[in-house]
Amino acid sequence: QSVLTQPPSVSGAPGQKVTISCTGSSSNLGAGYGVHWYQVLPGTAPKLLIFDNTNRHSGVPDRFSGSRSGTSASLAITGLQADDEAEYYCQSYDSSLSGSHVFGTGTKVTVL
Amino acid sequence: VQLLESGGGLVQPGGSLRLSCAASGFTFGSYAMNWVRQAPGKGLEWIGSISHSGSTYYNPSLKSRVTISVDTSRNQFSLKMISVTATDTAMYYCARDLGPVINPDNWFEPWGQGILVTVSS
Repeated sequence: QSVLTQPPSVSGAPGQKVTISCTGSSSNLGAGYGVHWYQVLPGTAPKLLIFDNTNRHSGVPDRFSGSRSGTSASLAITGLQADDEAEYYCQSYDSSLSGSHVFGTGTKVTVL
Repeated sequence: VQLLESGGGLVQPGGSLRLSCAASGFTFGSYAMNWVRQAPGKGLEWIGSISHSGSTYYNPSLKSRVTISVDTSRNQFSLKMISVTATDTAMYYCARDLGPVINPDNWFEPWGQGILVTVSS
């Protein structure tokens, strides 16, 4: 089981805004480790969207934005488009046990 | 920048899998590299990392079965996993790290296209 929890699915109509949460604990997000977000389109490799909590990777539209507070982080997608339909994962680091990069449980975004 | 995995396919339960990742388009020795996998219907799972100097870090849940190595002369790095079971069936990805040193705050980009490993008799 992942130590970062995301909602299994979120949905929205074209043009709407959706928000994906990533909830951790004191050994990961609460310890101040950076949060990064990836988009996984069907049948393709993950692509970096957001790094270091709020920074958009090169070429990523400004419709995607990241935020964090305490033991949680969020990815917001505004102006939802059909090609935003994908899985989204948060990633951070967990210092418990021997330490490990960890991914969130993943969220499927459906465009209605 | 391109990463290309090879070596996937069918592996017998109890056997070993060995994957390679060939890198091009960047100075290979200037980056740490990672392996990540995604089992069917499951999420992403970090397997391990290797720094530019060869230091390795593994997912504690896989550490006893995994070895990551690097061949800088061939711009390749490899993953070996022993004692595989059906739960190791997954798409395996290699991904470049932020820089040469493994840091808890690092992210992964770019990723290879992935290679499928199926563990079955």
